[in-house]
Amino acid sequence: EDQVTQSPEALRLQEGESSSLNCSYTVSGLRGLFWYRQDPGKGPEFLFTLYSAGEEKEKERLKATLTKKESFLHITAPKPEDSATYLCAVQAQQDNNAGNMLTFGGGTRLMVKP
Amino acid sequence: DAGITQSPRHKVTETGTPVTLRCHQTENHRYMYWYRQDPGHGLRLIHYSYGVKDTDKGEVSDGYSVSRSKTEDFLLTLESATSSQTSVYFCAIRPGQGAFGNTIYFGEGSWLTVV
Repeated sequence: EDQVTQSPEALRLQEGESSSLNCSYTVSGLRGLFWYRQDPGKGPEFLFTLYSAGEEKEKERLKATLTKKESFLHITAPKPEDSATYLCAVQAQQDNNAGNMLTFGGGTRLMVKP
Repeated sequence: DAGITQSPRHKVTETGTPVTLRCHQTENHRYMYWYRQDPGHGLRLIHYSYGVKDTDKGEVSDGYSVSRSKTEDFLLTLESATSSQTSVYFCAIRPGQGAFGNTIYFGEGSWLTVV
């Protein structure tokens, strides 16, 4: 059974204080690891997909990295507008293409104070 | 914008009544999904569809049924709503082709309260 665990559950940062969010996973063959951002009252917004260990993706102050067991979302010099819940999800290799559904972690709620 | 519209966005219903949530997409994507999101459980897959009249169960399908009679619409039905089905429901699509073909994009959610 695929499993995703995110830590910490909540993280408070001062504006400009860099940090990292962790996503540990077990999956029977990884097709892709996804990061989403979710604002209160909204649907998850896609950020990144990582496909293989060693891969990195960047977008503004966010950088996602991937190893064989975990992924990190690094936030450099965060601003208050980066406050949101960040979700990690894995997509397993399947024999058929019917599903390709995602298994999600519980999320990390990030709060950035000015 | 993934071109997904969910309706209704908010609904309060009584225990035992049937409820149907509608997901409409404008891009003719083949794959569509229904997830629910609950505190302490995160997002969990209810049902998914891989084409017109082609659907399958997800992790938490008990008490739910789905139908897809046309590419653009994916309906989620609670035959007899229970309080445990109070949740936020998200529809999602996956393009299935192109550079982001494997990515799943979510709608804005439908808040359902069963009293």
